[in-house]
Amino acid sequence: SQQGEEDPQALSIQEGENATMNCSYKTSINNLQWYRQNSGRGLVHLILIRSNEREKHSGRLRVTLDTSKKSSSLLITASRAADTASYFCASQGGSEKLVFGKGTKLTVNP
Amino acid sequence: DAGITQSPRHKVTETGTPVTLRCHQTENHRYMYWYRQDPGHGLRLIHYSYGVKDTDKGEVSDGYSVSRSKTEDFLLTLESATSSQTSVYFCAISEGTALNTEAFFGQGTRLTVV
Repeated sequence: SQQGEEDPQALSIQEGENATMNCSYKTSINNLQWYRQNSGRGLVHLILIRSNEREKHSGRLRVTLDTSKKSSSLLITASRAADTASYFCASQGGSEKLVFGKGTKLTVNP
Repeated sequence: DAGITQSPRHKVTETGTPVTLRCHQTENHRYMYWYRQDPGHGLRLIHYSYGVKDTDKGEVSDGYSVSRSKTEDFLLTLESATSSQTSVYFCAISEGTALNTEAFFGQGTRLTVV
């Protein structure tokens, strides 16, 4: 399987805390993307980081990429109850295939 | 929201019958993808298309075929449905350029094979 892995599978935190999710992938990539999925809905793109970038920010999101370890992390700062969702990383190589991981289910408790 | 529509949204079918799911886009994006989502497996790529009549297999393509005769439509066919194909199916589209490679997803089709 070419699938990557997210870690942890599930994460439960209190509002205001930071949430960190990790992703590992298996092959060389052009970019790595993070998506969010609310229960029963399709996935929504959050942020993309290219293989020559090491860190990227977007609002309360911070993504890092370590190509030597084939890993990425997504940090959500000052979490809110509305951040409750599943988060997926997706790696993209030269073929334009998007390969998703298994996801992290985040629960933010009010 | 990107103009992407999946139909049907829900379907129950019997084992051994053929089933076709449709993905329709109004964005003129080059790339289209079919994924299935199952608990414990995340999203797994079934097939994808990089242009009209240009398709390739993903990691779980056995038992599935696809066709793309027009830019806007990507059809997924289960040739003879089995219970293991009970799943939620998602279509996605992407421009596929170096600057714009994010994917936009449809709302999903929940398929139950009984």
